[in-house]
Amino acid sequence: DIQMTQSPSSLSASVGDRVTITCRASQGISNSLAWYQQKPGKVPKLLIYAASTLQSGVPSRFSGSGSGTDFTFTISSLQPEDVTTYYCQQYDSAPYTFGQGTKLEI
Amino acid sequence: QITLKESGPTLVKPTQTLTLTCTFSGFSLSTNGMGVGWIRQPPGKAPEWLAIIFWDDIKRYSPSLKSRLTITKDTSKNQVVLTMTNMDPVDTATYYCVRRPADGSYSDYWGQGTLVTVSS
Repeated sequence: DIQMTQSPSSLSASVGDRVTITCRASQGISNSLAWYQQKPGKVPKLLIYAASTLQSGVPSRFSGSGSGTDFTFTISSLQPEDVTTYYCQQYDSAPYTFGQGTKLEI
Repeated sequence: QITLKESGPTLVKPTQTLTLTCTFSGFSLSTNGMGVGWIRQPPGKAPEWLAIIFWDDIKRYSPSLKSRLTITKDTSKNQVVLTMTNMDPVDTATYYCVRRPADGSYSDYWGQGTLVTVSS
């Protein structure tokens, strides 16, 4: 299995801050990486796929980059509604493993 | 409009077999590249990918659960069924049905999820 190491596991930030989360794969996955947002009690929502492609309808303050083993997810200006948990997922090869999550707090 | 919905028991006893059905609409599982999979999430934990079935009936399973999982599809009914044998309390989780689009095995649409509790 490909292991996905997401960091940090939690992050405290202020509204308007630039926030960055990283995800590292235990082996190269090209750009087969997705980022999801999950609010408490809700279904995960796809934000980014192919490492940097924004899903339709997702605000442009969200972005992703990286290839191979190292990936970054960025919120350019944190909004109150962004304060929740984020997960990365590799889909290069099954099993399509998730990172352990990053919880954003204010 | 693409929707997926999980159905099945909310409570199973240890050692029993869990059968979950995903009924979807708005796309066809006979479309080249398409897939439907299952992901579960124990309370307070990260999601865990379980299995996927592709348009051409190819199946992939989580190696750690492969001996217990079976995924099948009925394209005419727009349904995918997941069975998990020998259920244990550690299998308590919300189980999600997800769509795999044609261009990659990420999950662009999710069902609402169904919480399955394993308890005697």
